[in-house]
Amino acid sequence: DAKTTQPNSMESNEEEPVHLPCNHSTISGTDYIHWYRQLPSQGPEYVIHGLTSNVNNRMASLAIAEDRKSSTLILHRATLRDAAVYYCILQGGSEKLVFGKGTKLTVNP
Amino acid sequence: GAVVSQHPSRVICKSGTSVKIECRSLDFQATTMFWYRQFPKKSLMLMATSNEGSKATYEQGVEKDKFLINHASLTLSTLTVTSAHPEDSSFYICSARVARGVQETQYFGPGTRLLVL
Repeated sequence: DAKTTQPNSMESNEEEPVHLPCNHSTISGTDYIHWYRQLPSQGPEYVIHGLTSNVNNRMASLAIAEDRKSSTLILHRATLRDAAVYYCILQGGSEKLVFGKGTKLTVNP
Repeated sequence: GAVVSQHPSRVICKSGTSVKIECRSLDFQATTMFWYRQFPKKSLMLMATSNEGSKATYEQGVEKDKFLINHASLTLSTLTVTSAHPEDSSFYICSARVARGVQETQYFGPGTRLLVL
């Protein structure tokens, strides 16, 4: 399984942007970059995914480095409800999702 | 988005009994579902991959006779924890895979918290 590296924790203030980094230096050409988040006592929630180009949706933006060895999940205006563990996962084709430790995001009021 | 439900949301049982957890895809058909387990303050650990109409594929170290998986239809997979023991107490989460274009995305259920006394 392709590996990703994320900081254990990050803090942000409410209504400020948050940039969550993820390193994946061993990514292969067919691996998609997926982001999920998990709120306490809930199942993971799909956030966004991409392959090469930057992606935007209603929840977040995904910025992918040109060499694809890193990516950044961007929350444009953090709210208290964004406090969660964020997982960056590589997935090739129909492979299963393997979760790492993720980044625990704390949002301060 | 795709919705996945689980039932029950929480269950308490006595040691030695069996518990069945249901996972349903509500607005789509899922040929593949997954079962994960999560212990407190730990990440999700994949237990098995469930394919409709065929036997589940278990991850290394997961006892297939203890964690029985049935995927009888395109919208339902069940996980039965047989002869449950206190060490089986955990948060069990299922997910279902949806094909959107060339990439498949997984959507997760809300989880089932199992406590074995």
